[in-house]
Amino acid sequence: DTGVSQNPRHKITKRGQNVTFRCDPISEHNRLYWYRQTLGQGPEFLTYFQNEAQLEKSRLLSDRFSAERPKGSFSTLEIQRTEQGDSAMYLCASSSQGATEAFFGQGTRLTVV
Amino acid sequence: QKEVEQDPGPLSVPEGAIVSLNCTYSNSAFQYFMWYRQYSRKGPELLMYTYSSGNKEDGRFTAQVDKSSKYISLFIRDSQPSDSATYLCAMSDYSGGYQKVTFGTGTKLQVIP
Repeated sequence: DTGVSQNPRHKITKRGQNVTFRCDPISEHNRLYWYRQTLGQGPEFLTYFQNEAQLEKSRLLSDRFSAERPKGSFSTLEIQRTEQGDSAMYLCASSSQGATEAFFGQGTRLTVV
Repeated sequence: QKEVEQDPGPLSVPEGAIVSLNCTYSNSAFQYFMWYRQYSRKGPELLMYTYSSGNKEDGRFTAQVDKSSKYISLFIRDSQPSDSATYLCAMSDYSGGYQKVTFGTGTKLQVIP
């Protein structure tokens, strides 16, 4: 296991289209986090899972965003009806329960044109 | 006012210089302090982690926390061109888990050969 894996690395989509990103966490980690990072800003928390349960969602996560982790392993983040303001780097991180650190993937860079 | 303030830079230094990166914060409940390094178009990578006040050293890197001043620092000795990246501070009271971590905006560092 080489760490947190995210796919695709880049996604260019037209405004109004739906996109889906995938995150594969470190295998023994039961917690998985999604963040959004825009240019010149730090990562902003979107949502997190403990196993398959989505335990918290940020106010940043509008109704157009949905995340799943159906079997407590990989997770998907879907954005419906994309807007130009959704253009950002979407980061996934994972940690074990009780850990004070999380490990990030390389991110998926979304560009909405 | 943001909970965590970090000068975005950019900061340019000659190779071999000592680099000082800083963050201030307003939430006195923060007790876990982290520094991440983020190369361009990559995910953040955890560099250092400290709890409460004091110093922690790891090779060329030293992290300092002054809770009385709500001020944290990362020092890089003998800076190398490979240290050129954006450095993010992050902190948490950890009462609710890693999802409560607040990131700074990052300081972009360039080490010139």
